[in-house]
Amino acid sequence: GIQVEQSPPDLILQEGANSTLRCNFSDSVNNLQWFHQNPWGQLINLFYIPSGTKQNGRLSATTVATERYSLLYISSSQTTDSGVYFCAVETGIYSGAGSYQLTFGKGTKLSVIP
Amino acid sequence: NAGVTQTPKFHILKIGQSMTLQCTQDMNHNYMYWYRQDPGMGLKLIYYSVGAGITDKGEVPNGYNVSRSTTEDFPLRLELAAPSQTSVYFCASSYAQGAYGNTIYFGEGSWLTVV
Repeated sequence: GIQVEQSPPDLILQEGANSTLRCNFSDSVNNLQWFHQNPWGQLINLFYIPSGTKQNGRLSATTVATERYSLLYISSSQTTDSGVYFCAVETGIYSGAGSYQLTFGKGTKLSVIP
Repeated sequence: NAGVTQTPKFHILKIGQSMTLQCTQDMNHNYMYWYRQDPGMGLKLIYYSVGAGITDKGEVPNGYNVSRSTTEDFPLRLELAAPSQTSVYFCASSYAQGAYGNTIYFGEGSWLTVV
């Protein structure tokens, strides 16, 4: 199956700093999503981004599908950004009633300190 | 806005017992999923459903069963619980599949310990 590797595994930032999280995947994908899991375990969808660039406030993401990687940018980090960031991909061929399986990376644990 | 609701939030189960994790969503989503998350790991898909009456296995289905009698509900049953099933379980739902911009919504998780 497809392999999803995220880097770095751990990241400690001073509040206000910027960061880039990376997600590499081993095969072509038709779906890529970034999630944030807060320290209480809640999972929030950040971006659906199989290709191109999107921005939402201080967060932005870029996926270069031909080179099989995606980047998540966090600018002016805040303590509320702490948690684990997951990249997840799907490779299934859309058939209307076919399978849907997201494969998750192991995540990047971000700690933002005041 | 309720979204995806899971119960119970915490549970301790003895080896060999059975239990059902409940999941319901109020967004009229066709697709529903059960994932498990082990410490320090990403999520792994247990079972999914593309609509009422239709379910299929994910990556790690052994030891679990599901049913989908309504659009709203997708319970996960653990039969003959084993310590390896100690994990955090997430139910999720989405309206459509990947090619159509599938945003997936997660419940708050169910922490299950098998002793």
